[in-house]
Amino acid sequence: GDSVTQMEGPVTLSEEAFLTINCTYTATGYPSLFWYVQYPGEGLQLLLKATKADDKGSNKGFEATYRKETTSFHLEKGSVQVSDSAVYFCALQFSGGYNKLIFGAGTRLAVHP
Amino acid sequence: DVKVTQSSRYLVKRTGEKVFLECVQDMDHENMFWYRQDPGLGLRLIYFSYDVKMKEKGDIPEGYSVSREKKERFSLILESASTNQTSMYLCASTPPGGELFFGEGSRLTVL
Repeated sequence: GDSVTQMEGPVTLSEEAFLTINCTYTATGYPSLFWYVQYPGEGLQLLLKATKADDKGSNKGFEATYRKETTSFHLEKGSVQVSDSAVYFCALQFSGGYNKLIFGAGTRLAVHP
Repeated sequence: DVKVTQSSRYLVKRTGEKVFLECVQDMDHENMFWYRQDPGLGLRLIYFSYDVKMKEKGDIPEGYSVSREKKERFSLILESASTNQTSMYLCASTPPGGELFFGEGSRLTVL
């Protein structure tokens, strides 16, 4: 079945370090791909998305490119801040399915000053 | 501003109790969802609803039921709570083809 696999955390970085969180997916069609972020004590919020191959989603300095050939959607940021500490979820969604999302397990990021 | 409100942030219940988790959205969205979030497992879909009085099972519906009597309200019911239902429960809503908006979550502990 359709699924999303994320790198295991926690990921611990110093402020201003480069961030990559890997995400790969298995799907029978061509889903839309998402990154959601969950800050401590809060619900999930959409960080960025891409709806077709080679699209790049970006927001708040984060980027991810939809790579159909490698079935990946890795999240990157050039210089992380302490305020980026959160749990990051990769997810896929097929159109016409009531907008159901299939989530990865989540990756916790801790950024230290 | 978009808002999904879950009635209780923290609940502690005893095994066998009936538990109601309420979710209200103020965006007139058709679709509403209940997920549970567990460490290492991510979010798993329990039930969703695409219209008033309509519901569909998600991936892990066992031990749960739902109610949607009004468009803005989607309730999750644990008929007889068990310790393995201790978890964070997240409600979300979305218009057709749109982005999911999540509530802040309800952390349930079953003793």
